[in-house]
Amino acid sequence: EAGVAQSPRYKIIEKRQSVAFWCNPISGHATLYWYQQILGQGPKLLIQFQNNGVVDDSQLPKDRFSAERLKGVDSTLKIQPAKLEDSAVYLCASSPQGSEQYFGPGTRLTVT
Amino acid sequence: GEDVEQSLFLSVREGDSSVINCTYTDSSSTYLYWYKQEPGAGLQLLTYIFSNMDMKQDQRLTVLLNKKDKHLSLRIADTQTGDSAIYFCAQAKGGGNKLTFGTGTQLKVEL
Repeated sequence: EAGVAQSPRYKIIEKRQSVAFWCNPISGHATLYWYQQILGQGPKLLIQFQNNGVVDDSQLPKDRFSAERLKGVDSTLKIQPAKLEDSAVYLCASSPQGSEQYFGPGTRLTVT
Repeated sequence: GEDVEQSLFLSVREGDSSVINCTYTDSSSTYLYWYKQEPGAGLQLLTYIFSNMDMKQDQRLTVLLNKKDKHLSLRIADTQTGDSAIYFCAQAKGGGNKLTFGTGTQLKVEL
């Protein structure tokens, strides 16, 4: 069974630029999560989708971050404009209904 | 304070047992998880325990849960160099299985 796919794996941008990350969850997984992992810390949930609806986006900085999951499968996370403190690894995870989460390899973002 | 706390580093010799500890604050957690993260990689689910259990064993891994003290531990028997990684514990809160992670424990296995 294929795992969670993410692209790109690495991205370097300048502050105030825009960036988008893509995630393809495990087939059949209804729930999709985006996490931000700053160096030396554990992942922190940004947003959770159930199919194509948002379940929890309380920790998403909505002035600059947006996410969508069209058709309840793939998802994109966008940052516009980026700040230096957005440098982190962005992890996507998926799970069957309300159970254990499986993570992708992440996208490492560096904002200069 | 942090919802989930872990010590930052643990160093063991190859072949010894490793014990990684975690404390959490939310007594209503339904599941508690252990994830492994190798350099440059995502998180790999190792094992999990339901909150009504005290212990779970899975090959070289043993999870112990003390609900009274809100303490979770992961024991790795016969630790190998391939076990060197960062280990995260996480508690699941709410019906949506929202995970709160600890800061991670870096395990170093020496020959």
